[in-house]
Amino acid sequence: DAGITQSPRHKVTETGTPVTLRCHQTENHRYMYWYRQDPGHGLRLIHYSYGVKDTDKGEVSDGYSVSRSKTEDFLLTLESATSSQTSVYFCAIRKTGGNGYTFGSGTRLTVV
Amino acid sequence: QKEVEQNSGPLSVPEGAIASLNCTYSDRVSQSFFWYRQYSGKSPELIMSIYSNGDKEDGRFTAQLNKASQYVSLLIRDSQPSDSATYLCAVNTLNSSGGSNYKLTFGKGTLLTVNP
Repeated sequence: DAGITQSPRHKVTETGTPVTLRCHQTENHRYMYWYRQDPGHGLRLIHYSYGVKDTDKGEVSDGYSVSRSKTEDFLLTLESATSSQTSVYFCAIRKTGGNGYTFGSGTRLTVV
Repeated sequence: QKEVEQNSGPLSVPEGAIASLNCTYSDRVSQSFFWYRQYSGKSPELIMSIYSNGDKEDGRFTAQLNKASQYVSLLIRDSQPSDSATYLCAVNTLNSSGGSNYKLTFGKGTLLTVNP
């Protein structure tokens, strides 16, 4: 499936704890994205990356940070998780030469 | 704020009928348009892309684009129960320099139910 792996697939964490989600690709694509999906809100862009160490904010970036030290890995960190960050998180890549995205399988995060 | 609007549905059609899904967008300079299908509990899957005014057909799917009206639609012919899913419209716009910003804005999706 386009070589995208998200980990973990499911996670339950407590309010105030840090959480890191990982997106790994095997095809060397330049653009990677983190979205969250919530009922009534659809898919909203959190952060994206256009190369190693090159990242930018999306529409719902508050409370999130990202890092991309290698082409294949894009990490999303919740510095201090809150219940409002309970969501399904999708990583996506934009394949070179294309405009559409390919999505990973998602991470279901619950903050209690 | 660039917006993409879709009717949330649910849209219910009988098996074998044509399902018509609609999407409007606010940014007049939008360039690329996509339809994704998302089954419950799964990730979105790209099914159609369209870049020019007019129709684009792929099997049972036809995407229609009208940039003057800022409107894009997806028709599913001979609908099957397996087509029951949420359909997401996504739009790629230009940045301030006139190039692609490589960011997709998604609508909230339309839930389609095809009844046997």
